[in-house]
Amino acid sequence: DQQVKQNSPSLSVQEGRISILNCDYTNSMFDYFLWYKKYPAEGPTFLISISSIKDKNEDGRFTVFLNKSAKHLSLHIVPSQPGDSAVYFCAASQNAGKSTFGDGTTLTVKP
Amino acid sequence: NAGVMQNPRHLVRRRGQEARLRCSPMKGHSHVYWYRQLPEEGLKFMVYLQKENIIDESGMPKERFSAEFPKEGPSILRIQQVVRGDSAAYFCASSPGKRSTEAFFGQGTRLTVV
Repeated sequence: DQQVKQNSPSLSVQEGRISILNCDYTNSMFDYFLWYKKYPAEGPTFLISISSIKDKNEDGRFTVFLNKSAKHLSLHIVPSQPGDSAVYFCAASQNAGKSTFGDGTTLTVKP
Repeated sequence: NAGVMQNPRHLVRRRGQEARLRCSPMKGHSHVYWYRQLPEEGLKFMVYLQKENIIDESGMPKERFSAEFPKEGPSILRIQQVVRGDSAAYFCASSPGKRSTEAFFGQGTRLTVV
């Protein structure tokens, strides 16, 4: 029973274009959502988060959108840069407890 | 995330041996989370500890796995009688309080069972 799903294992975009990474969840009790970025042989690094009381949070080139009715969130990266190439994990938590992670999407930004 | 120190970075064990993974949280952090990542998968929660207490071990396998976070020293994840299926990357995260959403991850320990 995978409660957080990232259905696209990989995504390739051209430098300067928009990258959109998607995430779906099934547990309606989740109230906080996070995106992590991970390079090979390193631990995940927190990128951006959103509380369930909001539908959008923006931080520089990164914006996360939350659609609670659809149980869907997305991460937009604009403009995409080659240094953004990494694995992106979506995660969700309930009452600030343990995080449940998706399987990740490998983003490749081509110069 | 360099503040959370995990060692060793790589660990090779033969089947049946014991593996001990250590995690030193960031300074001032008293909450530790352990996650396991199997190849091509996401991170799976294993256990949440506060100093000297196990708060949530719902993700820990029932046998062979144990974790502790003593008053002094690092948190230890111990795997007894390792099997090939234990081969994975094990990540530790620490936070200053209960909110795991403020947790910082270490670089992980890659366990290989041969």
